[in-house]
Amino acid sequence: KQEVTQIPAALSVPEGENLVLNCSFTDSAIYNLQWFRQDPGKGLTSLLLIQSSQREQTSGRLNASLDKSSGRSTLYIAASQPGDSATYLCAMDAGNMHTFGGGTRLMVKP
Amino acid sequence: DAGVIQSPRHEVTEMGQEVTLRCKPISGHNSLFWYRQTMMRGLELLIYFNNNVPIDDSGMPEDRFSAKMPNASFSTLKIQPSEPRDSAVYFCASSSWDSLVLIGYTFGSGTRLTVV
Repeated sequence: KQEVTQIPAALSVPEGENLVLNCSFTDSAIYNLQWFRQDPGKGLTSLLLIQSSQREQTSGRLNASLDKSSGRSTLYIAASQPGDSATYLCAMDAGNMHTFGGGTRLMVKP
Repeated sequence: DAGVIQSPRHEVTEMGQEVTLRCKPISGHNSLFWYRQTMMRGLELLIYFNNNVPIDDSGMPEDRFSAKMPNASFSTLKIQPSEPRDSAVYFCASSSWDSLVLIGYTFGSGTRLTVV
């Protein structure tokens, strides 16, 4: 059974810092990996999707990488802003089955 | 498109009562997912449908939970009888597929269920 772990569970940084969120998974037989953002009281918003044949995806200040051999993915946020404060979740997809990590709660202080 | 629409947004009910949560997926999406989110257990997949057919309900916690998708534009998740430990936020999501790639995977805003 796929297990997805996100470390750290919470992170607080000053505005402007570059930061990395980590996601590890146990089963490398995945189709896709997806990073989501969740604001308090809201649903999940998809940020980046990496297909299993890809190594990374970029969108604005966000860059997500995937290393299937080591079972790891990272989400890099450049020049963090207070508006980036949210919970970030990664999800492994193996044939229409999503397994989510527990999330990293990010606080960017002005 | 208005996105994935869930109703109600909030539900408070007494233990033992039947609860029905509703979801309208994005038009054209052929997969629909029901999730439950709690502080203790995080986000858990309960059941998903492909082309209105339930594919995997192994995440449904027990027989008190049931889900239906009578057509491509509507799904329900029912809890009968409800218990306090069912209190959580229930999310619905929909997507379509193109050669094993998720297209447009979108979450609804969720239903916050409180069972007292």
